[in-house]
Amino acid sequence: SAVISQKPSRDICQRGTSLTIQCQVDSQVTMMFWYRQQPGQSLTLIATANQGSEATYESGFVIDKFPISRPNLTFSTLTVSNMSPEDSSIYLCSVEGASRSYNEQFFGPGTRLTVL
Amino acid sequence: AQKITQTQPGMFVQEKEAVTLDCTYDTSDPSYGLFWYKQPSSGEMIFLIYQGSYDQQNATEGRYSLNFQKARKSANLVISASQLGDSAMYFCAMREDLNDYKLSFGAGTTVTVRA
Repeated sequence: SAVISQKPSRDICQRGTSLTIQCQVDSQVTMMFWYRQQPGQSLTLIATANQGSEATYESGFVIDKFPISRPNLTFSTLTVSNMSPEDSSIYLCSVEGASRSYNEQFFGPGTRLTVL
Repeated sequence: AQKITQTQPGMFVQEKEAVTLDCTYDTSDPSYGLFWYKQPSSGEMIFLIYQGSYDQQNATEGRYSLNFQKARKSANLVISASQLGDSAMYFCAMREDLNDYKLSFGAGTTVTVRA
């Protein structure tokens, strides 16, 4: 299975500031995904990040609010911009399994964000 | 429309007993995959088991098995011989396009194992 790390693991931020979350994978993967989990809720896909192309955002999420970088096949960042308390969530990155096995999909440990 | 429905917000189970978590799904795509994840209070998402729409047999992984009833569009997770460490939130998820890797998640079921 892929080993995924995220930084920071948690943070407390002030309203109006921005936070960049990093996701590192121990193997090369084509697609990386960013999900948001608001308190007590399920996971919602924010965007798909492919190396060498612009991220593809899901309905309700925009690049100005959640800019994403994907500089290589093992790394991605998600920035939460101009934060408000409603952005308090767990943010998780996800990748497919080795050899793009369709029956595997793994998640990082998550970044727990609290916005005051 | 909700693609994944988990109707049990919370369940209690006695240690060493089995528990079944319900999941129904909605898709018109003939090729899809169904996943179950465990999320303990730490927040990480732990992959448990996968069932493909064309798989002939129900998936099993250790104490986890999936009761796949394709005609009824249900994919219930069975946890056998429950342990205290099984206490967590459990999510059912679906990938409609097997080449896309995007997952749609259900609302989740909280399982509490009692000693």
